[in-house]
Amino acid sequence: QVQLVQSGAEVKKPGASVKLSCKASGYTFSNYAMHWVRQVPGQRPEWMGWIIAGSGDTKYSQNFEGRLTIRRNPSASTVYMELSSLRSEDTAVYYCAREGGYAYGYSFDYWGLGTLVTVSS
Amino acid sequence: EIVLTQSPGTLSLSPGGRATLSCRASQSLTSSYLAWYQQKPGQAPRLLIYGASNRATGIPDRFSGSGSMTDFSLTISRLEPEDFAVYYCQQYFNSPPTFGGGTKVEI
Repeated sequence: QVQLVQSGAEVKKPGASVKLSCKASGYTFSNYAMHWVRQVPGQRPEWMGWIIAGSGDTKYSQNFEGRLTIRRNPSASTVYMELSSLRSEDTAVYYCAREGGYAYGYSFDYWGLGTLVTVSS
Repeated sequence: EIVLTQSPGTLSLSPGGRATLSCRASQSLTSSYLAWYQQKPGQAPRLLIYGASNRATGIPDRFSGSGSMTDFSLTISRLEPEDFAVYYCQQYFNSPPTFGGGTKVEI
């Protein structure tokens, strides 16, 4: 079965960077795109960016341009998300989510459990 | 970007009741790119409906989606105790993908 296993919670100081991982299993990694979505508790999810696992092509939300990098390691079936210049407003739960492709209207059919990132001095 | 507005913000119902949730888009979008998710406290969102009206794998048939252009809805025909949660609509017709503000279905 499809599983997305995310790395553990992080506590960072303002100005630092955080790198999260998302290990996929149960499907052919290179055949799907992976998105990163974050959610401040009580607020709507916010799309951050995506990577096409096969080619490595990426697209980022303008809200994170210049601070966000998404990479993948096909041999490890793992996607990484790095966010730099952290500020308190970046405190949120960060999810990786697989895009289901054309057959699923490009919706996000599988999600990781999420990683809590806390930014505090 | 496309803004999705959900209503009502909160829906107070009883088990066995019928819930109708609305999602309105700021511009017309192809129904193929409208999805609904359920989220319970401390959990990730779960895909319920894609393409406006198609149930995802394993989703019970009491969940149904409909709509087109700018107006979409999610109906839960007979609320079960496990259905009390927050529901989000999401579009991917235009980038960036955006989510609605959510409707909380509470007892």
